[in-house]
Amino acid sequence: GAGVSQSPSNKVTEKGKDVELRCDPISGHTALYWYRQRLGQGLEFLIYFQGNSAPDKSGLPSDRFSAERTGESVSTLTIQRTQQEDSAVYLCASSTRPGGDTQYFGPGTRLTVL
Amino acid sequence: AQSVTQLDSHVSVSEGTPVLLRCNYSSSYSPSLFWYVQHPNKGLQLLLKYTSAATLVKGINGFEAEFKKSETSFHLTKPSAHMSDAAEYFCVLASYNFNKFYFGSGTKLNVKP
Repeated sequence: GAGVSQSPSNKVTEKGKDVELRCDPISGHTALYWYRQRLGQGLEFLIYFQGNSAPDKSGLPSDRFSAERTGESVSTLTIQRTQQEDSAVYLCASSTRPGGDTQYFGPGTRLTVL
Repeated sequence: AQSVTQLDSHVSVSEGTPVLLRCNYSSSYSPSLFWYVQHPNKGLQLLLKYTSAATLVKGINGFEAEFKKSETSFHLTKPSAHMSDAAEYFCVLASYNFNKFYFGSGTKLNVKP
């Protein structure tokens, strides 16, 4: 596609439920990143994929968070047993190659945990 | 440790006047630095990047930034603000291998008519 797409655009869930967020990177982009942006704050790095491997998972805030990527395409971020503090916009970005310096961002998924 | 500090959470200027958004960084290696812009209800867009070439970097929409190693700064400037510049701006530091990006807390730019 023309850009990075994410779905859903909005998700409202109840505390304790699991959610799955999807990212479709730009075709051919080997690097993929997930970020979290809480209200009024900057972006917080969560995880980086190079192809379908994740050399850096250091940003995942707890073991309730996990992510996977199929080949060099779709990635899913899963949050289990959601908590209210998980409410945020989750952004995905991709870049052309390992060490590619320009990231292209998707529009984000706004997650609200009631 | 790697970090980015944006010194102002909000900046307000009048249309046609200069813009200065301040950014300081801390890095144990030669840094690669970026400025991104986020317009309301739109995705983040790269404005410009510094990756150890010329210290004065020109970006889109008339913005530029100067890398000053002695001051560990990478301030963003524009000679004349336009109403369409109203947005949130993020200064970003890349890890040495570009596996991770450290975002500042953002500066919201308000442009008054």
